[in-house]
This record gives sequence, C-alpha cells and structure tokens, in this order.
Amino acid sequence: SYVLTQPPSVSVAPGKTARITCGGNNIGSKSVHWYQQKPGQAPVLVIYYDSDRPSGIPERFSGSNSGNTATLTISRVEAGDEADYYCQVWDSSSDHPNWVFGGGTKLTVL
Amino acid sequence: EVQLVESGGGLVQPGGSLRLSCAASGFTVSSNYMSWVRQAPGKGLEWVSVIYSGGSTYYADSVKGRFTISRDNSKNTLYLQMNSLRAEDTAVYYCARSVAVAGPFDYWGQGTLVTVSS
Repeated sequence: SYVLTQPPSVSVAPGKTARITCGGNNIGSKSVHWYQQKPGQAPVLVIYYDSDRPSGIPERFSGSNSGNTATLTISRVEAGDEADYYCQVWDSSSDHPNWVFGGGTKLTVL
Repeated sequence: EVQLVESGGGLVQPGGSLRLSCAASGFTVSSNYMSWVRQAPGKGLEWVSVIYSGGSTYYADSVKGRFTISRDNSKNTLYLQMNSLRAEDTAVYYCARSVAVAGPFDYWGQGTLVTVSS
C-alpha cells in the first residue's frame, strides 16, 4: 500500500517561514491535499490539488508537489498556525482504492 | 451552509456493535463521495470507508468484513455499522465529503467518540 512520510515535528519562530514535507513514491504524479487540525477540533482543508487554496485560507499558505516530495509552506507564521498538519492522497495502485494520510506533523511556533 | 453532524458514538464492549450516523445539510449526500475517517487518541488520521455517489463502497483493510457503510437518501444521512468491535477501533470517527474521487475532504463533521473497552 502507498505510504506518505511526514516529519513528526517542525518548529519555527513567529514571522518566519515553515515548510512541512510529505514524502511518497512518485508523489508528484498524484494530487496532494493538506489539512490543519487544532486540538479538539476536526481537520480543516488548507491546500487542495497540490497548490490550490480554499476560500478563507490565508495566502500565507501555499503548496507544491514534485518528484517524491510535496511541501506545505506557511509564510509569516503566526501563533494561531500552531497545529497538526496532514497530507493526503488518493491511491488506486492496490486492488481497491485507498485514501491515504501522512502521519502528521506538529507545527510549533516558538 | 454545508454541515455534517455525527452521532451514535459511545462505550461498547469488545465484540459489540454500534451504528454511527452523519446527518448532512446544505448538500445532497447521494451526489457526493462520503467517507468515514477515524483518529485514535493521540494518533493520526486513518481513512475507514467510502460510499460513491453511484453506490459503490470500499473499506480499509483494518475494518473490511466488520464495518458497513450506507446512506439513506430520504434522510440525507450517512451511516457506519460497526460490528465485532475491537479495542483498536477506539477513536473519534469523522464523516467527510468529497466532490470527486481523488478530491479533497472539503467538509468534515465534528466527530463522535467510540470507545471499545470492557
């Protein structure tokens, strides 16, 4: 089955840029979606189809996807961005379709 | 306004059964791809099951043969029947919507907690 690998944690100072990676075999050939989850809350979509941003999500959030790595970039990080972030793809390579999540990355704002 | 409201969670003994519901408003369940996603305490997200707009259903290997996803179009509600529950099924269960098979989960419910314990 398809595996997505994320770093468990990323730390960044306020105002700086955070980059959260999501590794997968030839992930550049798939559509990657990113979710933000704060404690006790449901996940919220922040980036879809690699780099599109839903309405209401700040322009500080951006995404890219190429080769074996997709990246979520958060510019000018704010305290309110502290959360867990998950990447996700749809995989049809096995005998049945799968919706695969990365293990999640905890973003800490120093 | 799109809204998803789960219910039906609770404490159940190992081997027991539970049925979760997800009431939708602001869109038609049967016209979308509806999934259940779960999150064990302190762990990450795990996709559980999906029902396509055309009615096809798929399951994660961890629940295949024990869980059944369904919908009631007249009530615009999604269900997850969970049988032969195990301790490792303990999690918050979310329902989520996609408008395309490879599309994102653009709307999520607030989740309902299922605890499997004796």
